[in-house]
Amino acid sequence: AQTVTQSQPEMSVQEAETVTLSCTYDTSENNYYLFWYKQPPSRQMILVIRQEAYKQQNATENRFSVNFQKAAKSFSLKISDSQLGDTAMYFCASTESYRDDKIIFGKGTRLHILP
Amino acid sequence: DSGVTQTPKHLITATGQRVTLRCSPRSGDLSVYWYQQSLDQGLQFLIQYYNGEERAKGNILERFSAQQFPDLHSELNLSSLELGDSALYFCASSSRTDSLGYTFGSGTRLTVV
Repeated sequence: AQTVTQSQPEMSVQEAETVTLSCTYDTSENNYYLFWYKQPPSRQMILVIRQEAYKQQNATENRFSVNFQKAAKSFSLKISDSQLGDTAMYFCASTESYRDDKIIFGKGTRLHILP
Repeated sequence: DSGVTQTPKHLITATGQRVTLRCSPRSGDLSVYWYQQSLDQGLQFLIQYYNGEERAKGNILERFSAQQFPDLHSELNLSSLELGDSALYFCASSSRTDSLGYTFGSGTRLTVV
């Protein structure tokens, strides 16, 4: 069965620092999609960044970037120049294949940005 | 506003009761997904509909059922409610031509007392 594992239940960093959230996943497919979602205290689910597995280039969205290691099935999220508004729960997620639009989520990492 | 509308936002009901959660997908999206998020947990996939047909099923209890109507809105029915069913229920939608992530609604907070 498809699984997504986030090994860091909770993290805290000082404002303006860089933080990396870890994620590993398991799929038998060669092409699939990976995502990071943010859930702030409002509970809204917000798409932060996405990666297509057939693309070798790591995705970047402003201060957010990923380190995608396909062979290792690793998909970490780096937040640069962290801001107080980045405080949230972060979920790593994946589809099993590019044909499958069902997304499976990890259990999340609670990130605290400290002033 | 994400474009995905969920109603009601909050629901408090007693054990043994039945409730219906409603979701209107983003305009043009044919797929609707339902997820359950228990307190401080990840999102558990329940069920997916595509253009009125059930497409994928996750760990959905037999007491739960869902459907998608011709106008593409979806309803999640929860019956014989138990305390453990208290959770945030999310609906999300996507376009079949855009497999690059869902758009989520703001969720329905269900409290069973």
